[in-house]
Amino acid sequence: NAGVTQTPKFQVLKTGQSMTLQCAQDMNHEYMSWYRQDPGMGLRLIHYSVGAGITDQGEVPNGYNVSRSTTEDFPLRLLSAAPSQTSVYFCASSPRLSTEAFFGQGTRLTVV
Amino acid sequence: QQQVKQSPQSLIVQKGGIPIINCAYENTAFDYFPWYQQFPGKGPALLIAIRPDVSEKKEGRFTISFNKSAKQFSLHIMDSQPGDSATYFCAASGADSWGKLQFGAGTQVVVTP
Repeated sequence: NAGVTQTPKFQVLKTGQSMTLQCAQDMNHEYMSWYRQDPGMGLRLIHYSVGAGITDQGEVPNGYNVSRSTTEDFPLRLLSAAPSQTSVYFCASSPRLSTEAFFGQGTRLTVV
Repeated sequence: QQQVKQSPQSLIVQKGGIPIINCAYENTAFDYFPWYQQFPGKGPALLIAIRPDVSEKKEGRFTISFNKSAKQFSLHIMDSQPGDSATYFCAASGADSWGKLQFGAGTQVVVTP
């Protein structure tokens, strides 16, 4: 039972580069979300989706894009990486009308 | 501005002790208060959760106490074990915010043998 799978686990980018963090879930959950985790700040919501084709901004959306073409996948795109985006990124999914979020293992991103 | 304030930042207790982590919130629309446990290199995992209609909830050695009037809630780890050493996050969400969580800053708990 894979749950929420994130790739890659580690990534180093140069300032200005773009990349996509992948997230896939096999639990048929309707809701998916991206958080970033920084020391002393907990996890902050970047973007959110309540279903295929529907996305919404969270608390810290600047510099990130998302799309959701299928129920299973919710990729996060960094358009032009900045050192301030150095963080650990977590993808989560939740069943419809549920309050429990299931998290992936995270992607540690360093922007130099 | 963090909507959920968590303290302390870190905590060291001896095996068998009772670490207590406190959280406070302002938004009265919050109606779901989970605690997540995170081990190094892993994603957070739901530990226990409470809704405002109860003042206490126990699951095994973990207890949430909830004070609606003070807008505060806390996690107690009874008979703590070295395997409980982890980072704990409180969180909150509202009725129309399925899966969208506001997290506290986290508390690193170390249980010494």
